[in-house]
Amino acid sequence: EVQLVQSGAEVKKPGESLRLSCKGSGYDFNTYWIAWVRQMPGKGLEWMGIIYPDDSDTRYSPSFQGQVTISADKSIKTAYLQWSSLKSSDSGIYYCARHGVGCSLTGCYDLQPWGQGTLVTVSS
Amino acid sequence: DIVMTQSPLSLSVTPGEPASISCRSSQSLLHSSGYHYLDWYLQKPGQSPQLLVYLGSKRASGVPDRFSGSGSGTDFTLKISRVEAEDVGVYYCMQGLQTPTFGGGTKVEIK
Repeated sequence: EVQLVQSGAEVKKPGESLRLSCKGSGYDFNTYWIAWVRQMPGKGLEWMGIIYPDDSDTRYSPSFQGQVTISADKSIKTAYLQWSSLKSSDSGIYYCARHGVGCSLTGCYDLQPWGQGTLVTVSS
Repeated sequence: DIVMTQSPLSLSVTPGEPASISCRSSQSLLHSSGYHYLDWYLQKPGQSPQLLVYLGSKRASGVPDRFSGSGSGTDFTLKISRVEAEDVGVYYCMQGLQTPTFGGGTKVEIK
């Protein structure tokens, strides 16, 4: 079974750093783009960026460029989303999801499966 | 960015009746492959989103055939032929032709 399993909920203070993880199993982790998607409390979905684990090629949405860092360790089939200095506005649920085999530099589609989501709460 | 606009914002449907959700993009989603890079997702209450339809009209594996996607250019529709209680949740469209963006969502509830 193709699966993405994310790390557990986090409670942090503004200014702290944080790294979320997303571990893939049941498929060739290296050769599918992994996306990160944010859902702020009570709001819709926002695509943040993607990484190709085999060579760590990374692309960001302009809205998130410079705000977060996406990385991957293909040896342990895990992708990461990290912040160096959290803000209260970073609170929300963060999902990782796998793009389909057709994802390329000319376009991506087909996000499945999704991880279970990680709830991040940033509060003083 | 390509802006995705969904309508209606919410929908209340009697079980067994059809439902339709519209998604409009600010630019054509036609890819050079001939496919439209438009997906539909359903987020059931308390769950992660799940893929229903990709490339405009291709049903994802395991998705019941009461769900169908159609459309071209900038106008797309998701139809549910006979709504069931398990179909409640928020439906999102997403374009993948450029940096992916989602529509604002359509909440479907049962009457």
